[in-house]
Formats: sequence, structure tokens, C-alpha cells
Amino acid sequence: EIVLTQSPATLSLSPGERATLSCRASQSVSSYLAWYQQKPGQAPRLLIYDASNRATGIPARFSGSGSGTDFTLTISSLEPEDFAVYYCQQRSNSITFGQGTRLEIK
Amino acid sequence: QLQLQESGPGLVKPSETLSLTCTVSGGSVSSSLYYWGWIRQPPGKGLEWIGHISYGGNTYNNPSLRSRATIYVDTSKRQFSLRLSSVTAADTAVYYCVRLTVAGTRFDPWGQGTLVTASS
Repeated sequence: EIVLTQSPATLSLSPGERATLSCRASQSVSSYLAWYQQKPGQAPRLLIYDASNRATGIPARFSGSGSGTDFTLTISSLEPEDFAVYYCQQRSNSITFGQGTRLEIK
Repeated sequence: QLQLQESGPGLVKPSETLSLTCTVSGGSVSSSLYYWGWIRQPPGKGLEWIGHISYGGNTYNNPSLRSRATIYVDTSKRQFSLRLSSVTAADTAVYYCVRLTVAGTRFDPWGQGTLVTASS
């Protein structure tokens, strides 16, 4: 099973700042990586697929990069609605999720 | 716009079988482009893929569930279902139904989720 490790576990930032979230795979997943956002009491929402493609309706401030084992989700300038938990997911070998990064207001 | 809605009992006794159904609206389950699946999230914890099924009935399950999970699709009703046998308290979670691309690279959209508690 491929293990996805997200860092940091918690990220404290202010609106307007840049957020950089990391997802590292225990072995290569090529570009088969997606990112999701989850707010309290809601289902996760797809943000990025195939490592760098924004899903329909996702603002341009969200971007994804990486391939192989190291991936990054960047939010260029945080809006109040961006504070949530973020998960990465791979499908290269079975399907697994990272443990999540909580993005909180500083 | 495709929408998914879970339904089923919110309480299941330990050792019994959990049964949930997902109804698809605004689209069809009879597409070769997508799979239909289930993901769960224990309270306060992360996401776990359970499995998914093609409209033709091919299934893919998480090995960690040791064959306890069975997924069915009913194209005439635009529904797919999950059965999880021999439940324990560890199966208490919010269960989401989802659509997955055949390439497997993304789950979208998601149902709103339904909480199932395994307790006597």
C-alpha cells in the first residue's frame, strides 16, 4: 500500500498570505494525485486532479504541482473561506488518502 | 448537474450488516467513463476508500476490509449500494457515495454523507 504523508499537520496563516501544503508518497504515484478540501460538516470537494489540473469551478488561486513522490498544493492568497482541512489522494496503487492538513486562521 | 444522495439506517448492531444505497440524479450510472464508489470517515478522522463498481458490475475493494464490503449497481433504478458485513464499533463513520473517473484519478462529485453508528 502506498502511504501518503501530508505536512504540516496544522498550518496557521492569515488571510492574504500564501499557503503551501505538502504531500509525500512512499513510492512513485506518477501524476496520479488529487487534492480535496473539506469544511466542517461538509463532504470533501475536489480541487486538483492529475497533480496540477484544477477542477471545474475552482478559483485560480489554487494550484497543484509535483510528480513522482513529492506534491504541493499552493493557495496564492488566502481567502476567509479557504480555512479548512485538505487531503491528498493517490490511485497509482490501490487508492489511499493522506491524513490531512488543517489550515487554520492565525 | 449530477447529484448523489445516500440513504439507509443510521444505527446498526455489532455483528450485523450495514446496508446503504446511493441514488443518482441528473445523470446515469450506465456510463463506461465512470465508476461508482464508497468512502468513509470515522468521526474526527481521515478518509478511507471502501471500493467502487463499474456499470457492468466489475468491483474493486479495499483489501483492508477483508472482503466484508460488497458493492452492487442497479442501472434501472439509477442506484448503487454498499453492504458491509460483521460490523464493529470501528465501522462507525460518515459514509459518502462518490463518482470516480475510470482513470481513477478523482472522486467527484460526492454525496452529502450519512452517519452510521455501530452500537447495541
